[in-house]
Amino acid sequence: SQQGEEDPQALSIQEGENATMNCSYKTSINNLQWYRQNSGRGLVHLILIRSNEREKHSGRLRVTLDTSKKSSSLLITASRAADTASYFCATASRAGGTSYGKLTFGQGTILTVHP
Amino acid sequence: GAVVSQHPSWVICKSGTSVKIECRSLDFQATTMFWYRQFPKQSLMLMATSNEGSKATYEQGVEKDKFLINHASLTLSTLTVTSAHPEDSSFYICSARDRGGPGFTEAFFGQGTRLTVV
Repeated sequence: SQQGEEDPQALSIQEGENATMNCSYKTSINNLQWYRQNSGRGLVHLILIRSNEREKHSGRLRVTLDTSKKSSSLLITASRAADTASYFCATASRAGGTSYGKLTFGQGTILTVHP
Repeated sequence: GAVVSQHPSWVICKSGTSVKIECRSLDFQATTMFWYRQFPKQSLMLMATSNEGSKATYEQGVEKDKFLINHASLTLSTLTVTSAHPEDSSFYICSARDRGGPGFTEAFFGQGTRLTVV
């Protein structure tokens, strides 16, 4: 089952603005990852944040993780039209065995950046 | 990053036929590959975990006789949709983890296969 809940479901902004997407989850995690998907394509890994980390940066991306609230946020600064895509958070369980490496995806946020 | 190649990228088949989708890790060995299904404007749902040299582990509600998975080598997993029906039409995506990588690293995704059953 999908444990991740993302909001907003859809976000429409102008180029240059910042975009913030949130993700909540329910179980203990080893790490949380954010992926991007262009329409009808595969997923591209954006950033991974481990459960003992609180914030991580990569270029125009900033991810925060609050394990006490079981939530994460992805901030894209100075957005561009090319950032238009769906963004998914995915959690990797702490469990081993058959759960090792298994990702549980959130529902995703559809981001539209207008030129 | 590592490359996962999925083939075909799209396929149209008639009801009742079977379709095979391949997932290859091109520059690393993948002990484990994962198969996901995605309906339009929805998230990815894990179908099964493919383990090299052993039987796949299916998620609850996924028919193992309907979706046959074979992981015969460290670089190839296949998903066969048997006796396909229109409701099987969907976007299927595979992912693989680098066997040699540290635990809990990113997964690398194929480009997906759009299956349309007519």
